[in-house]
Amino acid sequence: DQQVKQNSPSLSVQEGRISILNCDYTNSMFDYFLWYKKYPAEGPTFLISISSIKDKNEDGRFTVFLNKSAKHLSLHIVPSQPGDSAVYFCAASAGGSQGNLIFGKGTKLSVKP
Amino acid sequence: KAGVTQTPRYLIKTRGQQVTLSCSPISGHRSVSWYQQTPGQGLQFLFEYFSETQRNKGNFPGRFSGRQFSNSRSEMNVSTLELGDSALYLCASSLIPKDNEQFFGPGTRLTVL
Repeated sequence: DQQVKQNSPSLSVQEGRISILNCDYTNSMFDYFLWYKKYPAEGPTFLISISSIKDKNEDGRFTVFLNKSAKHLSLHIVPSQPGDSAVYFCAASAGGSQGNLIFGKGTKLSVKP
Repeated sequence: KAGVTQTPRYLIKTRGQQVTLSCSPISGHRSVSWYQQTPGQGLQFLFEYFSETQRNKGNFPGRFSGRQFSNSRSEMNVSTLELGDSALYLCASSLIPKDNEQFFGPGTRLTVL
C-alpha cells in the first residue's frame, strides 16, 4: 500500500508559467515532508522541505504548501524554467527531519520554451 | 568538495549471481543510506549505516545486505540475484544519521538477465 502518492506521472508546462506538482499521503503520523529533483543519470537533489507545524515554506521560485487535513502537499515553481525539467519526488517522514523517508514514484516535469 | 561517488555505474549480472556495489560519501559525512529505485515502486529505503553500524533497515529480504567501513565508505551486497532486482541503486550521505537533507550519488544501474 502506497503511503505517498504522486498521481500524475508527468506534467508539461510552458516556460514562465506556474508548475504545480501534487502529492498525497495516507499516514497521519508523517510530520516532515521533502521534495527532491532528479535529472537523468544523476541522483536526487534535495529541493525544499516543510515541517507539519507549518503550512507553507518558500525558497526562491519554489514554494511548498501543506494541507494536513487533506493529507496533501504541493510544490509550486514560479516562474518555470526549461532547466526545471526533471523528475520530482515527494517524500515523507514520521520521525521529523530524522525519520525514514518514504518516497512517491515521482512526477516528470517538462518545461517547454 | 567532491560529491557522493558510486561504483560501478553500470552492471549486468545473471540470475543466481551476487553483486557488490560501492559508495563513497562526501568527505566528513558519516551516515550512508541506500535506496532502490524501480519504475514500479519508485524510491525505496534499503538501509542506513553510521559508525560502521546498521541503524535502520527497510523492508527487503535478507539477500540484501550492507556494511560500512571505518572511513565511512559503504558497500551493499545482493546475493542470489533475481530478475526483479534490476534497478537503480542509490546511495546518499549526510552529516548525521537520518538527516533527511541527504546528498545522493548518481547511482548504480544493475541489470539482471
